Amino acid sequence: GQQVMQIPQYQHVQEGEDFTTYCNSSTTLSNIQWYKQRPGGHPVFLIQLVKSGEVKKQKRLTFQFGEAKKNSSLHITATQTTDVGTYFCAGATGTASKLTFGTGTRLQVTL
Amino acid sequence: NAGVMQNPRHLVRRRGQEARLRCSPMKGHSHVYWYRQLPEEGLKFMVYLQKENIIDESGMPKERFSAEFPKEGPSILRIQQVVRGDSAAYFCASSPGTSGIGAGELFFGEGSRLTVL
Repeated sequence: GQQVMQIPQYQHVQEGEDFTTYCNSSTTLSNIQWYKQRPGGHPVFLIQLVKSGEVKKQKRLTFQFGEAKKNSSLHITATQTTDVGTYFCAGATGTASKLTFGTGTRLQVTL
Repeated sequence: NAGVMQNPRHLVRRRGQEARLRCSPMKGHSHVYWYRQLPEEGLKFMVYLQKENIIDESGMPKERFSAEFPKEGPSILRIQQVVRGDSAAYFCASSPGTSGIGAGELFFGEGSRLTVL
């Protein structure tokens, strides 16, 4: 079945440093989404990418979808303590189909 | 507009008992997904339902687990004869199902945390 892996599993940065998490799917995706889950909370949607090579920005967050539509990345510039949480990518392989979540990257930010 | 509502938020059961978890999707949403999350782990897909239909149950264990989304009322995830390994957070998510591109944005509930003693 479809597998979606993320690296790193965990990253600890100091506030102000940049952070990147990478997402790789075993199959070609129709779209990819990113979610953030705060400790003890529930996943919250951040963004969806659909087109090959697509890049989207949300303030300090930059999302990219690979040309082959099998990988994606999330980059956070100048991290803040409010960025703490686990970031999940989630991919779908067709229309109206389930989302398979990646393994997640837990981000810890300290002052 | 109320979000996805899950109850109970916390549930404690002894081994062998039944657990019923309920999920009311956002208003206007006809697609419901159930995911399971073990501590410090990712979200594992369990089942995808539309009103009165199970669309994809490839993530559901073949025994003891069942799900429904009736015409009226919430979606229910039922776990019979619970075992300690069933202890987890169970998240429900809903979507309008009209994006035409994959599942579209999923709106998650706050989860039901099941503890089996």
